[in-house]
Amino acid sequence: AQKVTQAQTEISVVEKEDVTLDCVYETRDTTYYLFWYKQPPSGELVFLIRRNSFDEQNEISGRYSWNFQKSTSSFNFTITASQVVDSAVYFCALRGISGGYNKLIFGAGTRLAVHP
Amino acid sequence: SAVISQKPSRDICQRGTSLTIQCQVDSQVTMMFWYRQQPGQSLTLIATANQGSEATYESGFVIDKFPISRPNLTFSTLTVSNMSPEDSSIYLCSVEVQGNTQYFGPGTRLTVL
Repeated sequence: AQKVTQAQTEISVVEKEDVTLDCVYETRDTTYYLFWYKQPPSGELVFLIRRNSFDEQNEISGRYSWNFQKSTSSFNFTITASQVVDSAVYFCALRGISGGYNKLIFGAGTRLAVHP
Repeated sequence: SAVISQKPSRDICQRGTSLTIQCQVDSQVTMMFWYRQQPGQSLTLIATANQGSEATYESGFVIDKFPISRPNLTFSTLTVSNMSPEDSSIYLCSVEVQGNTQYFGPGTRLTVL
């Protein structure tokens, strides 16, 4: 079975703090993709990053960075120097491709509140 | 990426009625997806819509309740039939492009009274 666990339901930080959102996944597929999406209060789901299972190189994009570790089945997301505009619900998702299976499995989401 | 629009953006409906949600994408795509997001919850896939074939529904979702049309490669509709307050959710469509990434529309916020 495929599963994504985001154990942190809500996180509250003060502006400029660093924050890490955890994501742990389960899959038997050897080839799969991992994603992070942001859902601001407006409700739209915004794509942030995709990682395939063969690429464990960490990625940095501005204040955002992602740490992918296959050994621990984790794909964590760090926001450096958080800002109020980062307040949103963040979803981690898994996509497997075995047998034509291409459904996105979402975690429960982590609600991040950044206070001034 | 893809630019996706949905209509309506929100609606308030009476119990027992039906609502059809439209999803339009700015490029031709093979697969379109419909998701439901109940209040405070994560996204759950309702069905996958391929052009020219019947939609594939996930466990717990049936065609009679959520009929889907996919008349061409840029458009799809989802109907929420015989609505009850439990159907109050955000309904999102998505498409998969460029290396297996799904992009989402802005969503339709449905309230059923």
